[in-house]
Amino acid sequence: DVKVTQSSRYLVKRTGEKVFLECVQDMDHENMFWYRQDPGLGLRLIYFSYDVKMKEKGDIPEGYSVSREKKERFSLILESASTNQTSMYLCASSRLASSGANVLTFGAGSRLTVL
Amino acid sequence: GQQLNQSPQSMFIQEGEDVSMNCTSSSIFNTWLWYKQEPGEGPVLLIALYKAGELTSNGRLTAQFGITRKDSFLNISASIPSDVGIYFCAGKRGSGNTGKLIFGQGTTLQVKP
Repeated sequence: DVKVTQSSRYLVKRTGEKVFLECVQDMDHENMFWYRQDPGLGLRLIYFSYDVKMKEKGDIPEGYSVSREKKERFSLILESASTNQTSMYLCASSRLASSGANVLTFGAGSRLTVL
Repeated sequence: GQQLNQSPQSMFIQEGEDVSMNCTSSSIFNTWLWYKQEPGEGPVLLIALYKAGELTSNGRLTAQFGITRKDSFLNISASIPSDVGIYFCAGKRGSGNTGKLIFGQGTTLQVKP
């Protein structure tokens, strides 16, 4: 029972191309997140969203934008892809938490290579 | 920037051995989480810790929330080949929905049958 789906598992793009990474969750979660994963650096937060049409910058937002037009869908956009954006991108979602941690459910990841 | 130091970076052990890994921070966290990522998959939550000093088990896994609230430990007893993967710690400083998770660099575990 797949709960967070990232539509593209592997992508190869050229420098300067516009790239869309799509993520859909079926758990009716309020929160959605985009992380990038690089060896030795762990997971770093790019953007997150608490609600439809709301977005907040994470730790490394430069070069990225996001869109949340529907509750279940959170898109990551690379306006002009660069080679240093070659990475594994992980989408996650969580319930709105009044206390305690945001327990994240992750998708399987999208591995992007920019040539 | 990165605020969690996770060690060791990698481990290669024999099946049946016990494993220990830890995360430390210069900042206090209110919550610690441990995730496991298997090859080709996203991370999956193993254990969540909400109180300083808390010790929680999940099968052969045991994790502790350090008393100082600046560290956490994960132990795996009697390792088996399916324990292979990358283990991440994550800490949260804020309360409610506004706090963000900060992840460690990960510990890559390989188990030799």
